[in-house]
Parts: sequence; C-alpha cells; structure tokens
Amino acid sequence: DAKTTQPPSMDCAEGRAANLPCNHSTISGNEYVYWYRQIHSQGPQYIIHGLKNNETNEMASLIITEDRKSSTLILPHATLRDTAVYYCIVRPRGGSNYKLTFGKGTLLTVNP
Amino acid sequence: KAGVTQTPRYLIKTRGQQVTLSCSPISGHRSVSWYQQTPGQGLQFLFEYFSETQRNKGNFPGRFSGRQFSNSRSEMNVSTLELGDSALYLCASSFEARGTDTQYFGPGTRLTVL
Repeated sequence: DAKTTQPPSMDCAEGRAANLPCNHSTISGNEYVYWYRQIHSQGPQYIIHGLKNNETNEMASLIITEDRKSSTLILPHATLRDTAVYYCIVRPRGGSNYKLTFGKGTLLTVNP
Repeated sequence: KAGVTQTPRYLIKTRGQQVTLSCSPISGHRSVSWYQQTPGQGLQFLFEYFSETQRNKGNFPGRFSGRQFSNSRSEMNVSTLELGDSALYLCASSFEARGTDTQYFGPGTRLTVL
C-alpha cells in the first residue's frame, strides 16, 4: 500500500474551516484515498473517500490534487466535537488486500 | 441501520487466562475485520473473515484466533494472555471488504490484562 504522511498535530478555531493535508506521493492509479477519524478511545469513524475527483458529503470535503500525490480533508465549520485524530489511508481498489493500514494520523484540536 | 456492536465493552483479565470478544456486523455486511490498538503500536490489523473463512491475517502470534458464524457475527479469542495484550480491540464490518467497500468500526472492547 502507498505510504501517507500527515502532520502530527494541528489547531483550528471553532467555526473556522479545518484543512487537514495528507501526502501520498507513491499512490498508484487504482488506489483510493480514505479518511477516518477517531475521537478519544472510540472506534474510528469513516468520513469520506475518493479516487481522483473531489468529493463532498455531509461531514466533509475531500480535495485530491490532479497528480493524486496529495489530498486535503476540509471540515467547513469545525466544532469542539471535531477534536480527534484524523487518519488518511490509501487503499487498493481491488485485489486481495482487505486491511486498512493506519499511520499515526493528525491530532486536530478545535479551540473555542 | 444499527451500527457495528461489540461486547463486552470493557474486560479485565489476568495473565495466563483466555478471553473471547464478540462482534456483530452491520446487517447485510459479510466481512468482519479485527484490529488491535495500543499506544505504542497504533492500530494494527489482526485478521479478516468473509463467509466464515479467514481471508487475511496480520502479523500476530497464534494465540490470537477468530471465527465467523453463518450469520456473519464474529468472535476473536486470545489465549494465554500477556500484559502486552492490553489494548482496544476493534471490529469493522463491510459488505465484502474489497478496496471499494467502506469498513465501519464498532466502539471497541477495552481489554486490560493484570
């Protein structure tokens, strides 16, 4: 699986947009970018995923660069409840690799 | 739809004992994966089951085992517990767990080994 690089921590003011970057320069053409988050001691929560087009859902937007070497997760109006560790994961579209490989993620702290 | 459920939520055992954790996937999901999360090693893949068969296995000793039932519910077992087995054990379900299938996680079982 392609390796991802994320900053260890970021701060964001409540109500502002949180932009979380992820570098995946070795991503291959058949690999998706997935984002999960984990609030302290809870199970990881799925946020969004994409292949090459930008994606948006009720939780967030995912912007993938044209060369697919990096992406940004955007939480448009961060709240205190968005404080969590955010994981960017690259995963093959098919094949026999069924696991998610988690890195250390980014600890996002939303401040009042 | 109800989410992934795991029981028990908390468990305390002593070294040498064995433990069985249970996971009920989202209705209709046929794949169940198990992960271990510790402060030192982070989230690590244990194994994945689909249609009662183990398809993928992580790099864990044979003391860690699992099974899946015909209703897709899964159990994992850890025998001869060690202090290092203290962790949050997470279960995730998906329809088939191929690359396009999103895995949804349960709340986890917090195991403490004394």
